[in-house]
Amino acid sequence: SYVLTQPLSVSVAPGETATLTCGGNDIESKSVHWFQKKPGQAPVLVIHYDTDRPSGIPERFSASNSGDTATLTINRVEAGDEADYFCQVWDPESDHLWVFGGGTYLTVL
Amino acid sequence: QLQLEESGPGQVQPPETLSLTCTVSGGSVRSGVHFWGWIRHSPGRGLEWIASIRSSGSTFYNPSLKGRLTISIDTSRNQFSLEVTSLTAADTGVYYCARHGSGPAGRAAPFDYWGHGTLVTVSS
Repeated sequence: SYVLTQPLSVSVAPGETATLTCGGNDIESKSVHWFQKKPGQAPVLVIHYDTDRPSGIPERFSASNSGDTATLTINRVEAGDEADYFCQVWDPESDHLWVFGGGTYLTVL
Repeated sequence: QLQLEESGPGQVQPPETLSLTCTVSGGSVRSGVHFWGWIRHSPGRGLEWIASIRSSGSTFYNPSLKGRLTISIDTSRNQFSLEVTSLTAADTGVYYCARHGSGPAGRAAPFDYWGHGTLVTVSS
């Protein structure tokens, strides 16, 4: 099955830039989606199709996808950005089909 | 606005069977385009896709759950459901229903609408 690897945690100070990675074999050939998950709330789609922001998502959120790594960047981090962030792809060659990464917890110091 | 709402028992004893239902409003599960899926979240395992179904009846299962799953759809009630058999403590988590597959990307499209989730605790 296809595996997406995310660091367990990232910490940044308010106002700084957070960089969250999602590693997968030739991930650039897949469409990567990113979800923000806060405790007690449903996941929220913050980036779809590698780089696009859904309506209502602040411009501070951006992303890229190249080689074996997709990256979510959050500029000018705010306290309200503290959450788990999951990447997700569809892998037609995997019997698991819709795959999530393990998630990265972003701590705002 | 599309809304999804999960309903379930809350607590289940091992090795019983879990039955969950997702009621869809503001849209129709009859849509031939979309997939209707179940995802669970547990602290140790993160988000995990469990199963999906289309209105045609086509089903897709996570093989990690080894034949314990049945997903079904009831277009007359605008609902879809999930059964998980032989429950263990490892099945404890928050279960979400979600829509995916919108647009030309089809299966590569994201999960775009989610329910609020229902907590399932497997304990004797």
